[in-house]
Amino acid sequence: AQKVTQAQTEISVVEKEDVTLDCVYETRDTTYYLFWYKQPPSGELVFLIRRNSFDEQNEISGRYSWNFQKSTSSFNFTITASQVVDSAVYFCALPSSGSARQLTFGSGTQLTVLP
Amino acid sequence: DGGITQSPKYLFRKEGQNVTLSCEQNLNHDAMYWYRQDPGQGLRLIYYSQIVNDFQKGDIAEGYSVSREKKESFPLTVTSAQKNPTAFYLCASTNRAQGGELFFGEGSRLTVL
Repeated sequence: AQKVTQAQTEISVVEKEDVTLDCVYETRDTTYYLFWYKQPPSGELVFLIRRNSFDEQNEISGRYSWNFQKSTSSFNFTITASQVVDSAVYFCALPSSGSARQLTFGSGTQLTVLP
Repeated sequence: DGGITQSPKYLFRKEGQNVTLSCEQNLNHDAMYWYRQDPGQGLRLIYYSQIVNDFQKGDIAEGYSVSREKKESFPLTVTSAQKNPTAFYLCASTNRAQGGELFFGEGSRLTVL
């Protein structure tokens, strides 16, 4: 069965600090996707990134970057120069095996960025 | 605008009553999902549907029921058999292409008094 572990329950940083959110996953699939979502206080989950297991290159999007390492089954997320608006719960997720493709989510990391 | 609409946003019910949460999408997605979120536990899958008139149980289906009579609608009923129904409920949809990301509604917060 798929499993996603986000060991950091809560993280607090001061604005402009860099912060890394960890994600470790387990899967028996040889090819798979990984996702990160952001959940602001409003409640709706916002899609951030989808990464194919074939592609281990790091990805950067503005202040966000992702480090995918298949050898350690990790897909970590770094926010550079954090801002108060980054405060949210962040979820890492992995689709199930088979055709349904429902996502298995980690327990989430609550990030608080202090001014 | 395309998206997923959940209603109501907040709902209060007495213990023992059934409640139905609405989820409508205009994204023309085939697959729809219901997740439950409790503090510190992430999201857990209740039910999902890949096509009209078909749905499958997720990890925590007991005490819940769904229907999928139309492609754009996937209502969730929280029955009196659900022992701890107070939670935040999220509906999502996706196309069925492999790797398709889920699009989420804004959620419905149910409180049972």
